[in-house]
Amino acid sequence: DAGVIQSPRHEVTEMGQEVTLRCKPISGHNSLFWYRQTMMRGLELLIYFNNNVPIDDSGMPEDRFSAKMPNASFSTLKIQPSEPRDSAVYFCASSGAQGNQPQHFGDGTRLSIL
Amino acid sequence: GQQLNQSPQSMFIQEGEDVSMNCTSSSIFNTWLWYKQDPGEGPVLLIALYKAGELTSNGRLTAQFGITRKDSFLNISASIPSDVGIYFCAGLEGSSNTGKLIFGQGTTLQVKP
Repeated sequence: DAGVIQSPRHEVTEMGQEVTLRCKPISGHNSLFWYRQTMMRGLELLIYFNNNVPIDDSGMPEDRFSAKMPNASFSTLKIQPSEPRDSAVYFCASSGAQGNQPQHFGDGTRLSIL
Repeated sequence: GQQLNQSPQSMFIQEGEDVSMNCTSSSIFNTWLWYKQDPGEGPVLLIALYKAGELTSNGRLTAQFGITRKDSFLNISASIPSDVGIYFCAGLEGSSNTGKLIFGQGTTLQVKP
């Protein structure tokens, strides 16, 4: 079975540019999570969705960050405008219908803002 | 908010040795998970624990859900070079059925052949 698929795997762009990260969750999973990982702060939850509805976006650092889930098989995380401090690895994860279903992670997008 | 304290932060051991790491929390979790992350990849689930006191094994890995619901440990027996990586504990927050996880800071394991 296909796992969580993220694209691109790597992104290098100049500050001020818009960045869009994409995620396809595991088929049948109804919860989707966006994380950011840095050396300083470890794994941080940015936002998560249940049944395509954003439930908790308290981890989104600023208004420059936005996330959408237009359908059960696709989500985006956008940063506009991007800044060097946004450089990190961004992970998407999904989990099944039951609340205690473990989350399964994609391989991440390594983002570098110059 | 809830926090997990994971220790040790890093370990450097000889191949064949056993490894133990643990997580503690000031709050109760209903589910504990242990993940491993290899360089350039996402965390991969190793073991999931759903009941206080539960002891679960997965090959050379054994994990336990503390009876107080505030701690968990992971043991790796007879370590091998491919065990190298970062190990994370994670707790499922409260009684929520939305699956929000809180992660520990990670334990970096290095194994000397």
